[in-house]
Amino acid sequence: QVHLVQSGAEVKKPGSSMKVSCKASEGIFNNYGISWVRQAPVQGLEWLGGIIPVLGTGNYAQKFQDRVTISADESSRTVYMELSSLRLDDTAVYYCVRDSPRAFDVWGQGTLVTVSS
Amino acid sequence: DIVLTQSPGTLSLSPGEGATLSCTTSQSVSTSYVAWYRQKPGQAPSLLIYAASSRAPGVPDRLSGSGSGTDFTLTISRLEPEDFAVYFCQQYGSSPHTFGQGTKLEIK
Repeated sequence: QVHLVQSGAEVKKPGSSMKVSCKASEGIFNNYGISWVRQAPVQGLEWLGGIIPVLGTGNYAQKFQDRVTISADESSRTVYMELSSLRLDDTAVYYCVRDSPRAFDVWGQGTLVTVSS
Repeated sequence: DIVLTQSPGTLSLSPGEGATLSCTTSQSVSTSYVAWYRQKPGQAPSLLIYAASSRAPGVPDRLSGSGSGTDFTLTISRLEPEDFAVYFCQQYGSSPHTFGQGTKLEIK
């Protein structure tokens, strides 16, 4: 069975960084890309970027290019998304998703990140 | 970036009726790389349709996608209770992948 399991909710201060993890089943990690999508009440669904774990190369949306880093650890089949210089409007649910020829066909359970002073 | 505009914002219908949801893109989407997702409260979105008209595994044939170029449609026939949710379209042919703002399908 294919699945993505994310780390738990976080509360962060403005200006700090966040790092969310996404553990993938073997079938996903070795054969597909993993993307990160966030959902905030105002901005709706936004794609931040993605990675092909076996290649280790990330691809980022220009809006987040200077603040986001997506990496992968093959030994633990885990993908990480780090977002720096956090602002209040970065408060959102962050999802990792399987990025396949069939669009985003597997979703993690989501991680709520709250940015608050 | 390609902007996706969904209409209507809210659709009020009764179980058993049919629904038509629209998604218009600001530029033509290559090879019809358009997907549709359903999201229920407190849950992650789930894939319904990819490549504009292909159903994801397990999606009933009451749901169908169509369209090309800049105009895409999700059609749901014989609405069932599980269909009342929020629907998003997405283009994944160009980077950045972008989503529409959503259509809420509610019980009348």
